[in-house]
Amino acid sequence: GAGVSQSPRYKVAKRGQDVALRCDPISGHVSLFWYQQALGQGPEFLTYFQNEAQLDKSGLPSDRFFAERPEGSVSTLKIQRTQQEDSAVYLCASSFHLARLQGAFYEQYFGPGTRLTVT
Amino acid sequence: TQLLEQSPQFLSIQEGENLTVYCNSSSVFSSLQWYRQEPGEGPVLLVTVVTGGEVKKLKRLTFQFGDARKDSSLHITAAQPGDTGLYLCAGAHSGGYQKVTFGIGTKLQVIP
Repeated sequence: GAGVSQSPRYKVAKRGQDVALRCDPISGHVSLFWYQQALGQGPEFLTYFQNEAQLDKSGLPSDRFFAERPEGSVSTLKIQRTQQEDSAVYLCASSFHLARLQGAFYEQYFGPGTRLTVT
Repeated sequence: TQLLEQSPQFLSIQEGENLTVYCNSSSVFSSLQWYRQEPGEGPVLLVTVVTGGEVKKLKRLTFQFGDARKDSSLHITAAQPGDTGLYLCAGAHSGGYQKVTFGIGTKLQVIP
């Protein structure tokens, strides 16, 4: 079936604008993650959903960042009043398993990301 | 803040050479993953190692998890231009929902 898709692939925003980034996970995947990848860095965790519940938002850098997954499938990451330091690739990943077993790891499937440039 | 340190950060080698990439941390992980990421794409999982001292092989790639589960290495034999990419290690902690911490990555270029 189809993999994780994200839209738009590229977004240019003027500083102060609001943006919304969409993630379509693999159908049936329970877990959904958002990551931020700055240029030359590895991905950094932003937030995690289990179905429609946002169980961890500890990685969101400020209250300008907001994520939702109202029906437990598609997710949207919203950034209000964008700043230049928000420029990065935003990656979404989904996983079928709840992934609660110690010592086990359930593969996260990543989308291609949305490259956000704030000018 | 990256809790996983990767070295080297950049590596440019000739086709046919061997190389090793290292991933180190002061934290103990329940599992450690290696990903490969190409420009404009998301990371793709190569392997997961779970047991201290574990060695896994994937064709010309050999992955090892340290005995204390704090470090790992990726060795590529006879590198090919198709191996070019960003190699990321990522550690998962036990319990919870498998929150993953990524390293900064090693950018590998294999020159034909």
